[in-house]
Amino acid sequence: RKEVEQDPGPFNVPEGATVAFNCTYSNSASQSFFWYRQDCRKEPKLLMSVYSSGNEDGRFTAQLNRASQYISLLIRDSKLSDSATYLCVVNKNNNDMRFGAGTRLTVKP
Amino acid sequence: DGGITQSPKYLFRKEGQNVTLSCEQNLNHDAMYWYRQDPGQGLRLIYYSQIVNDFQKGDIAEGYSVSREKKESFPLTVTSAQKNPTAFYLCASSASTGNNEKLFFGSGTQLSVL
Repeated sequence: RKEVEQDPGPFNVPEGATVAFNCTYSNSASQSFFWYRQDCRKEPKLLMSVYSSGNEDGRFTAQLNRASQYISLLIRDSKLSDSATYLCVVNKNNNDMRFGAGTRLTVKP
Repeated sequence: DGGITQSPKYLFRKEGQNVTLSCEQNLNHDAMYWYRQDPGQGLRLIYYSQIVNDFQKGDIAEGYSVSREKKESFPLTVTSAQKNPTAFYLCASSASTGNNEKLFFGSGTQLSVL
């Protein structure tokens, strides 16, 4: 089993749609969690950290379920500019950061 | 501007040749990382360093070597033992060895075999 697993997609949605991505992780001792966004052949950039209480940043909402070892990202009112690959990142322990393979999103007019 | 700089942007390797990818940061970060990304795949950890003169192997360290003689610099050498080196290489840094620090990435080096 991979340490961090994501549905690779692709997700093709119309503008204005709501879309959700899921991520599971295998190490129950994992300490912290993040979502990164990566555009084609560019470096990943931090989208948001994920906290146990859940957190929201504008149209983006992240949730963490430690019992199920599951992280989610919800994007509301999708924009064309949201088209990218979304990477789930898990800090196993002491900054040993592990990445999922990414979920590709295409938002269409 | 503070940041993390990788060079070169594109690099070509001949058979049997060692090549070195540069990574420099002026963010005063303790931890630095090297990842490899293959087309359509996520990032895989090659090596990471939490402090000067110390580094640990990641999942795919075979065929690679690193050094951390200075806090600002973490070069990666792709040796001739790495038989499939063609990939996009990303260097990253983070502020501390705690458990909630985000990664800052360089813009990447695309390595190809001639």
